[in-house]
Amino acid sequence: EDQVTQSPEALRLQEGESSSLNCSYTVSGLRGLFWYRQDPGKGPEFLFTLYSAGEEKEKERLKATLTKKESFLHITAPKPEDSATYLCARGIREKLTFGTGTRLTIIP
Amino acid sequence: DGGITQSPKYLFRKEGQNVTLSCEQNLNHDAMYWYRQDPGQGLRLIYYSQIVNDFQKGDIAEGYSVSREKKESFPLTVTSAQKNPTAFYLCASRRTGANEKLFFGSGTQLSVL
Repeated sequence: EDQVTQSPEALRLQEGESSSLNCSYTVSGLRGLFWYRQDPGKGPEFLFTLYSAGEEKEKERLKATLTKKESFLHITAPKPEDSATYLCARGIREKLTFGTGTRLTIIP
Repeated sequence: DGGITQSPKYLFRKEGQNVTLSCEQNLNHDAMYWYRQDPGQGLRLIYYSQIVNDFQKGDIAEGYSVSREKKESFPLTVTSAQKNPTAFYLCASRRTGANEKLFFGSGTQLSVL
């Protein structure tokens, strides 16, 4: 069974201070790696899907990368509106394992 | 706009009571899911349905029941057998194909009175 671990649990950054969130997993093999953003009291919102080691995807200030055992969500020059909990999940169809999330706070 | 609608936003359950959470989608997706979210834990799968009139237990199905009579609807009943029902419940549907991903509703917070 895949174990998905996200770190750090919480991260506070000054506006404009770039950083990375980590998502590591234990089971190799062909399955998707998904990143979601979740605002308080709301459902997760899809950000990225990655399938192959070396794959990268970008959206505004976010870039997701994938290796054989982990994924990083890089956030460049973040703004206060980027504050949210970022979830990663790995698997396929109903066999998704979610991490516990990284709560990101961007301080103006 | 296409999407998933969950209702109610907040729900309170009394001891011994069954409650039903509504989930409706107009995305024309075949697969639908119910997840439970507790503080400090990852989302856990309760039930899923890949097609009308068929559904399967997920990892934590005990104390819950579902139906899938229409493609658009996948209601979840939290029965009195679920002894720890307080959680945030999320309904999702899945788009298949090259960009397979889950679309989530806005959630229902269930609390026990």
